[in-house]
Amino acid sequence: ETGVTQSPTHLIKTRGQQVTLRCSSQSGHNTVSWYQQALGQGPQFIFQYYREEENGRGNFPPRFSGLQFPNYSSELNVNALELDDSALYLCASSSAGERPYNEQFFGPGTRLTVL
Amino acid sequence: DAKTTQPPSMDCAEGRAANLPCNHSTISGNEYVYWYRQIHSQGPQYIIHGLKNNETNEMASLIITEDRKSSTLILPHATLRDTAVYYCIAGSGNTPLVFGKGTRLSVIA
Repeated sequence: ETGVTQSPTHLIKTRGQQVTLRCSSQSGHNTVSWYQQALGQGPQFIFQYYREEENGRGNFPPRFSGLQFPNYSSELNVNALELDDSALYLCASSSAGERPYNEQFFGPGTRLTVL
Repeated sequence: DAKTTQPPSMDCAEGRAANLPCNHSTISGNEYVYWYRQIHSQGPQYIIHGLKNNETNEMASLIITEDRKSSTLILPHATLRDTAVYYCIAGSGNTPLVFGKGTRLSVIA
């Protein structure tokens, strides 16, 4: 069973640029959630994708957008980068509908630095 | 905002039991209590969850009070590799996980 993978592991961008982060979900999982984790804080929910549709969104502006593909992998896109976007971006996969509870499997994250 | 409150930090001697408390006084009847941990520079790792009954797995035990307003995660024999931030989360179904700041557990040799 392949775990959740994310790429790249580290990324440095400048203000105003755009970035795309990628996530491959665990085999058999149909749901992907993205989280932003600032230094010293817990992860904050950005949005979730279920069967290629956005299925819930946290308090993040529209310049944060995403996609989920037919193989359930996912992308997170951030436009017009700001300094405060510097964070660890985490992807988590799960199997919606198969269990009444919510066990999410996290990838190692992408560390984004905005200069 | 997180529905749970946890102490910011705790220490535990290696080989002893680590007992991590969590308050979730506003938890709803259909909400589970989840515990995740995050070892430095890694993604969070699921540990255990429970609804009403106490639960045990190969990693830990979860004790939930009868009124469900609080719980305790128990690592029976803490090792140095258990040093991490532990998050207690209340939630249901496939809703997003709402993380607080968690408890930073330091296991000391």
